[in-house]
Amino acid sequence: KAGVTQTPRYLIKTRGQQVTLSCSPISGHRSVSWYQQTPGQGLQFLFEYFSETQRNKGNFPGRFSGRQFSNSRSEMNVSTLELGDSALYLCASSLVPGDQETQYFGPGTRLLVL
Amino acid sequence: AQSVAQPEDQVNVAEGNPLTVKCTYSVSGNPYLFWYVQYPNRGLQFLLKYITGDNLVKGSYGFEAEFNKSQTSFHLKKPSALVSDSALYFCAVRYTGGSQGNLIFGKGTKLSVKP
Repeated sequence: KAGVTQTPRYLIKTRGQQVTLSCSPISGHRSVSWYQQTPGQGLQFLFEYFSETQRNKGNFPGRFSGRQFSNSRSEMNVSTLELGDSALYLCASSLVPGDQETQYFGPGTRLLVL
Repeated sequence: AQSVAQPEDQVNVAEGNPLTVKCTYSVSGNPYLFWYVQYPNRGLQFLLKYITGDNLVKGSYGFEAEFNKSQTSFHLKKPSALVSDSALYFCAVRYTGGSQGNLIFGKGTKLSVKP
């Protein structure tokens, strides 16, 4: 079956703009988590959604937001982009929250902020 | 605060030799520990986990990890390294008191296996 897909794969924006990233989970997976990966900070948890509800949020400013739709697809939005937002954004889906053995990661969206 | 440390940014091993990628953790309560691998331009892949039980956990691709509670370590090991094992390896912890799905990752260790 198809894996986790993320669109777009690459994105270039300028400071002050906003961006929306999309994640389509594996069919049947209802939990979606987002992570930010940077060389300096490594992998950091952004948020987790299950059944269209945000269950948990990491330590990121309010400029970072997300949502999940009824078909389990998820989007994350970053407003007023800063240079430091340049990163690889990874989405992961699982059957239910916390189920790491069924959790699969997408290839990521690489965002470059100029 | 919960944290995970991978003390080595890079580990170099010759093909056929054993490899160890180190990980130490600091959590309150009982830890759930994980190892992931990331190949270039690809997402993370789950390798193995420790929840409870035997301290030696076997995972995918011939990898195993040893949980040591007294040393708060969870080192990843493989008896005989392959060139194809070259990748970025992440140790992660999910503490039982936290929300499910919230993993704390180490900074990653780049494993380079030379022929």
